[in-house]
Amino acid sequence: AQSVTQPDIHITVSEGASLELRCNYSYGATPYLFWYVQSPGQGLQLLLKYFSGDTLVQGIKGFEAEFKRSQSSFNLRKPSVHWSDAAEYFCAVAGNTGFQKLVFGTGTRLLVSP
Amino acid sequence: SQTIHQWPATLVQPVGSPLSLECTVEGTSNPNLYWYRQAAGRGLQLLFYSVGIGQISSEVPQNLSASRPQDRQFILSSKKLLLSDSGFYLCAFLPANTGELFFGEGSRLTVL
Repeated sequence: AQSVTQPDIHITVSEGASLELRCNYSYGATPYLFWYVQSPGQGLQLLLKYFSGDTLVQGIKGFEAEFKRSQSSFNLRKPSVHWSDAAEYFCAVAGNTGFQKLVFGTGTRLLVSP
Repeated sequence: SQTIHQWPATLVQPVGSPLSLECTVEGTSNPNLYWYRQAAGRGLQLLFYSVGIGQISSEVPQNLSASRPQDRQFILSSKKLLLSDSGFYLCAFLPANTGELFFGEGSRLTVL
């Protein structure tokens, strides 16, 4: 069965600095990979997704992620963080059940300092 | 446009009381429907999903049940709540072949 690891529970970044959130997955074949963002007390919103093709995918709000098969990783990046980016970020993977069941990581809470 | 509504937003219930959380979807037909629970530090745990009316798959043994009486309606229930049922519950739907889950705003359940 597929699984996702987000090794960082919390990350603090200064406003304007770059950001990288780590995500490692476990799955035998090529997975479908997702990043979702959750503002406090709210539902989740899709930032970006990778199905196939170009391993660098662009998402909303200036985020991008790179699929690296050799490292089983799908790290999320943003060149310059804004205070409004403070939220919780979830990586997710779908595998042999297709899209029917996404497996989520435990999330990384991003704090943005002034 | 596709929308999802989930209610109530907040619920405080005594131990042993029943529970009903409701979720409805608009703007799509025959979506997959999901109930997730979110606990601090544990990410999102898939509780139930449904691929059609009356079809419910349970992911973890628990004190909760789910039903799908109509194509775009998904209900999470319990006959007797436990303290451990407290949490943030999220309903979501998956339109056909899109790969993107759309989430409701969540329901915060506190069992006292």
